[in-house]
Amino acid sequence: GENVEQHPSTLSVQEGDSAVIKCTYSDSASNYFPWYKQELGKRPQLIIDIRSNVGEKKDQRIAVTLNKTAKHFSLHITETQPEDSAVYFCAASRTNAGKSTFGDGTTLTVKP
Amino acid sequence: NAGVTQTPKFQVLKTGQSMTLQCAQDMNHNSMYWYRQDPGMGLRLIYYSASEGTTDKGEVPNGYNVSRLNKREFSLRLESAAPSQTSVYFCASSGRGTGGSNQPQHFGDGTRLSIL
Repeated sequence: GENVEQHPSTLSVQEGDSAVIKCTYSDSASNYFPWYKQELGKRPQLIIDIRSNVGEKKDQRIAVTLNKTAKHFSLHITETQPEDSAVYFCAASRTNAGKSTFGDGTTLTVKP
Repeated sequence: NAGVTQTPKFQVLKTGQSMTLQCAQDMNHNSMYWYRQDPGMGLRLIYYSASEGTTDKGEVPNGYNVSRLNKREFSLRLESAAPSQTSVYFCASSGRGTGGSNQPQHFGDGTRLSIL
């Protein structure tokens, strides 16, 4: 089955700096890669996703890049703000798989 | 739209007691999921239902049972609760796009379950 590894497990940055979280996956047939943000005590919520037919997607300060050959995808957050502090999860799935495989999460702390 | 609704939000049980966690979605999604999240940990899939009438085990199914009651509802049952099942339980649902392409999961607010 699919295996997703997420790094780093914790990340601390100064406000205004950039943050990058990377995930690698094992199943070459995986074609959907969402990122979720979970604030303390809250539910995970989708922040951005990418499909295998594109290499990069941006939404304001957030971007995701996908390298299908190397089987990894990354979340980039620019101009970080204290409200970006949360746990971020990546996930991977293939069409009609019925379920997604999640990474173990990255705790991002943005210091004011 | 309420999205994904879980009940109860909090529950305290004694070891050996049973209970059912309820989940309902109003987005006409085919797939539904149950996860547990222990403190400081990731999401571990307990069971999932890819479509109405089907259920499958995830990575940590022992001690749990599920029922896909209809397209909207997916319940999780603990038959004999154990302290190791103390956790936050999240229900989620997702739809299907064109050609069966995957869509993001929508999560409920969670049930915080403590077993003494």
